[in-house]
Amino acid sequence: GQQLNQSPQSMFIQEGEDVSMNCTSSSIFNTWLWYKQDPGEGPVLLIALYKAGELTSNGRLTAQFGITRKDSFLNISASIPSDVGIYFCAGSIIQGAQKLVFGQGTRLTINP
Amino acid sequence: GAGVSQTPSNKVTEKGKYVELRCDPISGHTALYWYRQSLGQGPEFLIYFQGTGAADDSGLPNDRFFAVRPEGSVSTLKIQRTERGDSAVYLCASSPETGYEAFFGQGTRLTVV
Repeated sequence: GQQLNQSPQSMFIQEGEDVSMNCTSSSIFNTWLWYKQDPGEGPVLLIALYKAGELTSNGRLTAQFGITRKDSFLNISASIPSDVGIYFCAGSIIQGAQKLVFGQGTRLTINP
Repeated sequence: GAGVSQTPSNKVTEKGKYVELRCDPISGHTALYWYRQSLGQGPEFLIYFQGTGAADDSGLPNDRFFAVRPEGSVSTLKIQRTERGDSAVYLCASSPETGYEAFFGQGTRLTVV
């Protein structure tokens, strides 16, 4: 079936550093989404991307929908302690959030 | 309520038993999704409803799994003859219509012993 390869699997950084993570697929997706999940909670949507090449920001977060429609990246600038958590990319063949395929997640740990 | 509500938050059951997991979507949301998340993995799609009907149930792993949404609001995921491999967090999400971002509940952690 379809798979999303998300990297890195984990990151250990200092507070204030910038973070970059990405997701690649062997299949084309028409929607890319980035979620954050805290322990015991459901995923929370951070950024949604609907067009190839689209670059979207949400505060300190920036994400891009790759031109080939097979990849996406998420950057976090000037990390703060509340950024700790697991970040997931997700893709959908059909426009919008329907049948999503999720990556394996990137666990972000921040040293104060 | 303000968000998607799932009950119970935790469920421990014995192998072979039947369980029901409930999802209360955000009021007015017509689309509802069920996902399953195993430890250390991303969520995996199970089924989604548009209104009362299951629009896509291709993610249900086998015929022990069934979901209903009889009035187009609350949904129940039903698992028969539970197996230890069914242990996971079951997540529900809803959106105003298909094609819009979905909002997730906190999940039900199912443990089969």
